[in-house]
Amino acid sequence: EIVMTQSPATLSVSPGERATLSCRASQSVSSNLAWYQQKPGQAPRLLIYGASTRATGIPARFSGSGSGTEFTLTISSLQSEDFAVYYCQQYNNWPLYTFGQGTKLEIK
Amino acid sequence: QVQLVQSGAEVKKPGASVKVSCKASGYTFTSYAMHWVRQAPGQRLEWMGWINAGNGNTKYSQKFQGRVTITRDTSASTAYMELSSLRSEDTAVYYCAREMGYYDSSGFLYYYMDVWGKGTTVTVSS
Repeated sequence: EIVMTQSPATLSVSPGERATLSCRASQSVSSNLAWYQQKPGQAPRLLIYGASTRATGIPARFSGSGSGTEFTLTISSLQSEDFAVYYCQQYNNWPLYTFGQGTKLEIK
Repeated sequence: QVQLVQSGAEVKKPGASVKVSCKASGYTFTSYAMHWVRQAPGQRLEWMGWINAGNGNTKYSQKFQGRVTITRDTSASTAYMELSSLRSEDTAVYYCAREMGYYDSSGFLYYYMDVWGKGTTVTVSS
């Protein structure tokens, strides 16, 4: 099983500032990585797939980068609606998908 | 628009079974596969299984093999996930998610989950 590890567990950032979230895979997943946003009581929402391709309707302030085992999600200028939990997920090993434990992005 | 509507919350006793439904709309149901993922309180998302909605082929996580059955009813555009021999550790929110494919720059086909249902809370308690 490919283990996904996210850091930090909690990130405190002020609105308007940049947030950088990290995700590491226990073995290479190439660029087969997705990022999801989840708000309390809601389903995960796809933000990024292919490590860097924004899903339909996702604002340009969200960007993804990385390949192999190291990945980053950057939110360039935080809006109030961006405070949520973010998960990375590898889909290189179909269909044995695995998720990170999540990073909670909170208001500083 | 594409929507996945899941059935309502369930409360079950240990040892019982639960069957969760996921009704698809806004796309051709049989043209896409469906995944099931669960999230126990305070835990990460966990993949459970997959069904090809076109031909009914399934794959399951080793962790749930023998306890989970995923089926579909094409006439109702609905996928189902049944989990048996429930225990308290199965208390979780269960999600269905549509599978979407794309070709990467090398021409290989990969699949991710693009649209998710809102989730069904299953509580297992005596």
